[in-house]
Amino acid sequence: AQSVAQPEDQVNVAEGNPLTVKCTYSVSGNPYLFWYVQYPNRGLQFLLKYITGDNLVKGSYGFEAEFNKSQTSFHLKKPSALVSDSALYFCAVRELGFQKLVFGTGTRLLVSP
Amino acid sequence: DAEITQSPRHKITETGRQVTLACHQTWNHNNMFWYRQDLGHGLRLIHYSYGVQDTNKGEVSDGYSVSRSNTEDLPLTLESAASSQTSVYFCASSEERTGVREQFFGPGTRLTVL
Repeated sequence: AQSVAQPEDQVNVAEGNPLTVKCTYSVSGNPYLFWYVQYPNRGLQFLLKYITGDNLVKGSYGFEAEFNKSQTSFHLKKPSALVSDSALYFCAVRELGFQKLVFGTGTRLLVSP
Repeated sequence: DAEITQSPRHKITETGRQVTLACHQTWNHNNMFWYRQDLGHGLRLIHYSYGVQDTNKGEVSDGYSVSRSNTEDLPLTLESAASSQTSVYFCASSEERTGVREQFFGPGTRLTVL
């Protein structure tokens, strides 16, 4: 069965510093991996996805994620955090042949001025 | 612009009542999904549909039902609301005819069952 783990409930970072939000996954085949962001009282917004190819994926708002097959990880990164990046971030996985997403429990990112 | 909408945005109901949450998308997507979001659980899949007349159970389908009579709509029905169904519900849609695509999410419905 597919599963996703986001080991940190909350990540705190100062504005201007680099940020990392961690995600590890488990699938039986090749994974499709996604990151979504949720602002208060809003639905989820797509940030980026890994399907195949280059292990470094670039997405919206300056975010990027690195796919590491040996570590089964897909960490979200940004070189310089903004206060406006403060939100809830979800990692999700699905397998080839399936269209259902399995989500992690979410990580709250708090960027302080 | 194409969009996905949910109604109502907020609903308070009583235990035992039947409740229907609406989801409407104008993307012309084949795939539609219903999730619930609860603290500590992230998003969990309730039901999903890959096209008209197709419906499938997700991981937390007990007490919920859906029907797909057209491409645009996937209403979620709580047959007899329970307090454990107090949650925020999200509808999503996606299209895969041209490759792996992300899901687009609606704004959510906050449901309180008293």
